Order: sequence, then C-alpha cells, then structure tokens
Amino acid sequence: AQSVTQPDIHITVSEGASLELRCNYSYGATPYLFWYVQSPGQGLQLLLKYFSGDTLVQGIKGFEAEFKRSQSSFNLRRPCVHWSDAAEYFCAVGLIKAAGNKLTFGGGTRVLVKP
Amino acid sequence: DAGITQSPRHKVTETGTPVTLRCHQTENHRYMYWYRQDPGHGLRLIHYSYGVKDTDKGEVSDGYSVSRSKTEDFLLTLESATSSQTSVYFCAIRDPSQRTNYGYTFGSGTRLTVV
Repeated sequence: AQSVTQPDIHITVSEGASLELRCNYSYGATPYLFWYVQSPGQGLQLLLKYFSGDTLVQGIKGFEAEFKRSQSSFNLRRPCVHWSDAAEYFCAVGLIKAAGNKLTFGGGTRVLVKP
Repeated sequence: DAGITQSPRHKVTETGTPVTLRCHQTENHRYMYWYRQDPGHGLRLIHYSYGVKDTDKGEVSDGYSVSRSKTEDFLLTLESATSSQTSVYFCAIRDPSQRTNYGYTFGSGTRLTVV
C-alpha cells in the first residue's frame, strides 16, 4: 500500500539552530514529492517540490530538501531556524500521471521554536 | 488563497443534520479535491473531481457525497453529520501545468464541529 511517514510528530528547536524534518514514502514507482507548511489557523503553502533532476531542491523561505531514492526519503532542512518557522510541516507524494493526480500526505510534524 | 474560496469558514451543527460545504474557484482548473485534516493523520482525501459531473472517491469517503455541476464549484455534503466528522476541511485545486508548481493550491479551510 502507498504510504507516507513523518516519524517525528513534534520537534522543538532553538532559534538559530538547524532543523531537519524526516519523510519516508512507500510507493511502487518514483513519485512527485512535496513539502507544505501550515501556520496556525492557516491553509497550506507549498515550500518546495521534486519531480526529477537534481536531488537537492531549494524552496522558499530558505528551506531545502534532498531526495534519496535508495532510502525512499525526502527530508526537509532549514540551516538556521527563525521564530517564524514555528508551524506544522507536511510531506506529500503523488504518483506521476496517476489517475486523479492525487496527493498522499504524511501525518505532519509540528515545529516549536525556542527563543 | 488566490483563486479558491471555501464557505463557510466555521460551522457548528448537530448530529444527524445534513451539511454542505462549498468550494469555489476562479482558475478554471479541471481538478478539485476535498481533504479533511485531523491531528496525527495529516490530510486525507475524501473525494475529488476531474471535471464537471466527474467525481471519484478518496480514502475516507464514507458518509460524504460530492457534486460538481459547474467547473468553478465543488460541493461536499455530509448526509447525516456525526461527531467523527468534526474536522477541518480543505478544498484544493490543481494546475496541471508544469510551468507552475504542478502541486495543489489550497483553500483556507472550513472548521466543522458536530455536536
């Protein structure tokens, strides 16, 4: 069965420190990969995406993610966390040209930022 | 979010009553989706549409129906609301052009409480 796993439900990080959010997927084929961010009470905003090519992807707000096919992972990184990064982060995958072009989401990781 | 509007933003309803949520887009996109968001589950697909009068079920479709009589509107109906349907509901539209993000644009969400 297709699945997306975000192993960390909560992460607390100090402002200025680095952050890595994990995402693992289980799919029969190479999927499209996405990271979304949701600030409290808000909708979802796309941070970055991977379709093909360079496995290190740059996104908005200084985020980056690395696709590792051998590990079925697409981890998100933020080299220097800002207080405004406190939010919930969702990894999502979608099969290329699958019926309905549906996305499957992980359970989310909530990030708390300490001053 | 630009081009997609959900209504109402908040609703409290009683168990057993029917409820309809509306998603309206101005982007003329073919694909529209309804997701529900619950803690620990991320977003789960309820139903989606790939054109006027063309809809299909997602992974959590029981107790929900949808209709799409116009390109711009996608309605989600809870036939007889239950407490387990208390959730935040997100509508999304998808732009299939790879010149943009290929991913989804989400509405701001509808918080539904069933008492």
